[in-house]
Amino acid sequence: GQQLNQSPQSMFIQEGEDVSMNCTSSSIFNTWLWYKQDPGEGPVLLIALYKAGELTSNGRLTAQFGITRKDSFLNISASIPSDVGIYFCAGGETSGSRLTFGEGTQLTVNP
Amino acid sequence: GAVVSQHPSRVICKSGTSVKIECRSLDFQATTMFWYRQFPKQSLMLMATSNEGSKATYEQGVEKDKFLINHASLTLSTLTVTSAHPEDSSFYICSARRDSGYYEQYFGPGTRLTVT
Repeated sequence: GQQLNQSPQSMFIQEGEDVSMNCTSSSIFNTWLWYKQDPGEGPVLLIALYKAGELTSNGRLTAQFGITRKDSFLNISASIPSDVGIYFCAGGETSGSRLTFGEGTQLTVNP
Repeated sequence: GAVVSQHPSRVICKSGTSVKIECRSLDFQATTMFWYRQFPKQSLMLMATSNEGSKATYEQGVEKDKFLINHASLTLSTLTVTSAHPEDSSFYICSARRDSGYYEQYFGPGTRLTVT
């Protein structure tokens, strides 16, 4: 089946720094989604991308759908302590199909 | 909108008993609901996909007689872990999707199951 390579696996940054993480696939996806999971909670949808090349922002978060449709990145600007958590990318092949999830990026923000 | 609840949030049960977990979409109708299992520091592992009114589709390696899924309405799906054993202890998360025209899944807060 499809596999997503998400990197980095973990990041330790200082408050105020910018963060970038990405996901790559050997196959094409028609949508990319980014989720954040806080400890002991379910993932929360942050950003959804539907078109190759699309760049979408949600507050301090910006995500892009790669032109090749095989990758996506998520940037967080001016990180704050509440950004701590695990960020997952997810790709959808067709509407109605399951999502394929990356392995997650564990973000730690030091005040 | 797109709020999904799960109940209970935590449950401890004895080995050999059964546990039922409920997943509800509170402000939308969910044609499809998904059940995931998550081990510590790992990604989400899809267990099964359930469509309202039909039998669930289980992923390879998931025992359908052990993990019973019912999706009787457009707002409720249940997962019953039958004859639970300590190795079934895990974090179970459901998600819901409006209909097949959508990609987005909205997740519940998860249920921490501990089998003693």
